[in-house]
Amino acid sequence: EPEVTQTPSHQVTQMGQEVILRCVPISNHLYFYWYRQILGQKVEFLVSFYNNEISEKSEIFDDQFSVERPDGSNFTLKIRSTKLEDSAMYFCASSRSRGQGREKLFFGSGTQLSVL
Amino acid sequence: LAKTTQPISMDSYEGQEVNITCSHNNIATNDYITWYQQFPSQGPRFIIQGYKTKVTNEVASLFIPADRKSSTLSLPRVSLSDTAVYYCLVVQGDSWGKLQFGAGTQVVVTP
Repeated sequence: EPEVTQTPSHQVTQMGQEVILRCVPISNHLYFYWYRQILGQKVEFLVSFYNNEISEKSEIFDDQFSVERPDGSNFTLKIRSTKLEDSAMYFCASSRSRGQGREKLFFGSGTQLSVL
Repeated sequence: LAKTTQPISMDSYEGQEVNITCSHNNIATNDYITWYQQFPSQGPRFIIQGYKTKVTNEVASLFIPADRKSSTLSLPRVSLSDTAVYYCLVVQGDSWGKLQFGAGTQVVVTP
């Protein structure tokens, strides 16, 4: 089965530093997403992305966050100035289509971000 | 957005059938019911999706009554590797892949 690949698997950074989390979605997918999960809490939606634009974003996705598809294969999440509360597992996901509620998202294994 | 309610945890033995019922009283006409599975330190994995009646795939079955106010995920003959958190989601027809995860049901399978 095709996979969404995320790198790195673990990232440790100092508060205030910028981090870029990288993802390679499934090759024929057109819709891309970032979710996060703070330890012991629910999986939370951050942003969806299609046709080089943000389709929807949550309240969590403030000005400190940005997403980009710099080339035909990568999808990145940048946090400009990390805070302690940004520590979480970040999941990238992709889907082939926007299926009116029927879309099937494929998630990567995540990047564990630790902000010290 | 339809809120979902499912048990916090369920225990089972290997080889048994596990049924997880989820209630979603406020489901809308164009909403779909979707179940995901999550292992520790991994991303959620799609299991099954349905609109009404019964859906079956190689992993599970999903039963949805006519009023669609609840759904039951059935895992036949579970093994130790089925120990995971299972999420019931109601996905809006106009969502942009914005999935609203709840706390899920922790299923523990023991020998």
